[in-house]
Amino acid sequence: QVQLVQSGAEGKTAGSSVKVSCKASGATFTNTAINWVRQAPGQGPEWMGGINPLFGTANYAPKFQGRVTITADESTTTAYMELSSLKSDDTAVYYCARVLPSLAAAGIVGAFDIWGQGTLVTVSS
Amino acid sequence: EIVMTQSPATLSVSPGERATLSCRASQSVSSNLAWYQQKPGQAPRLLIYGASTRATGIPARFSGSGSVTEFTLTISSLQSEDFAVYYCQQYNSWPLPFGQGTKVEIK
Repeated sequence: QVQLVQSGAEGKTAGSSVKVSCKASGATFTNTAINWVRQAPGQGPEWMGGINPLFGTANYAPKFQGRVTITADESTTTAYMELSSLKSDDTAVYYCARVLPSLAAAGIVGAFDIWGQGTLVTVSS
Repeated sequence: EIVMTQSPATLSVSPGERATLSCRASQSVSSNLAWYQQKPGQAPRLLIYGASTRATGIPARFSGSGSVTEFTLTISSLQSEDFAVYYCQQYNSWPLPFGQGTKVEIK
């Protein structure tokens, strides 16, 4: 059974950076396309970006371009999301999510069938 | 950049009744549309992908339809566990936005 296990909650100050990890178990990582989605308190999900280790490149939402970096380490089956220049409105739960394998293998970039448990990032000024 | 618009924002339905949720894309997304269910304190759960294909383990009372820009999620007979927030998401082209959600509440 594939699982995505994320790193623990983070408390950060404005202007700093945060790096959240997402470890995949029970699947071949090369075929695991990982996306990052955040959800601010009381708001809907917001897609930030994603990476497919099979193709090696990441894609980012324009809103986060230049501030977010998504990487994947196949040797440890772990994906990472680093967000810099944090602001108070970056306070949110950050999720990693896997693209349905049958779609990822065809180069299709959604839908997300398995999600991590979420990581709360709190940014204080 | 594609914008996803869901309606209504809130849907009040009695248990056992049918619920119909709508999602509109600002431009064509073909059939590259997913629906998710989210309950408080939980991650979203994939219900439907490819506009109409149920994900593994999703009950048959959930069905999706539509293509291009207009999509519908139908819950044929609402059960108590179905009261939640539902989101659509397009994955036809980058970026991959979600709609703002429809809350299905008990009438």
